[in-house]
Amino acid sequence: AQKVTQAQTEISVVEKEDVTLDCVYETRDTTYYLFWYKQPPSGELVFLIRRNSFDEQNEISGRYSWNFQKSTSSFNFTITASQVVDSAVYFCALSGSNTGNQFYFGTGTSLTVIP
Amino acid sequence: DAGVIQSPRHEVTEMGQEVTLRCKPISGHDYLFWYRQTMMRGLELLIYFNNNVPIDDSGMPEDRFSAKMPNASFSTLKIQPSEPRDSAVYFCASSFSQGALNTEAFFGQGTRLTVV
Repeated sequence: AQKVTQAQTEISVVEKEDVTLDCVYETRDTTYYLFWYKQPPSGELVFLIRRNSFDEQNEISGRYSWNFQKSTSSFNFTITASQVVDSAVYFCALSGSNTGNQFYFGTGTSLTVIP
Repeated sequence: DAGVIQSPRHEVTEMGQEVTLRCKPISGHDYLFWYRQTMMRGLELLIYFNNNVPIDDSGMPEDRFSAKMPNASFSTLKIQPSEPRDSAVYFCASSFSQGALNTEAFFGQGTRLTVV
């Protein structure tokens, strides 16, 4: 079965602190994608990153970085030097080759950055 | 491309009325998804299509919900009759398949439905 777990329901940090959002997944697929989405208070769902199951290299984009570890089935997201604009709900998602190509979303982590 | 376009953005209707939500996916995308988001249940997949064909509608709450995709550029989600518990934000998303996998889904702005 496909499952994505985001154990952190809510996180609060003070501006400029680093914060890591955890994502653990379960899949029987050998080929799959992992994703992170951001939902700011305005409500839209914004795609942030896609990672292929064959590519375990970490990725950095500005203040954002992602750590993918197949050994622990985790795809964690770190925001460095957080800013108030980072306040949002963040969703991790999974899509596999043998499950009809649908997306399985976690329950989201609500991040509040306090100025 | 303008992205996934949903209409209306907001809908307020009385219980028992029919509600139709509309979605225009990104051109060239072969998958279309309808999601519902509430505080209590989070983001739920209702139904999705591949090349205009419904693949999985097991998330549709009950017979009051129906979805169609008459062509590659248009889909509707209909609720008839609507009930207050249907109040939620409904998202449409589209993606395209790349080999055996889907690339990322792009979401519309959502339709905030309030049934009074």
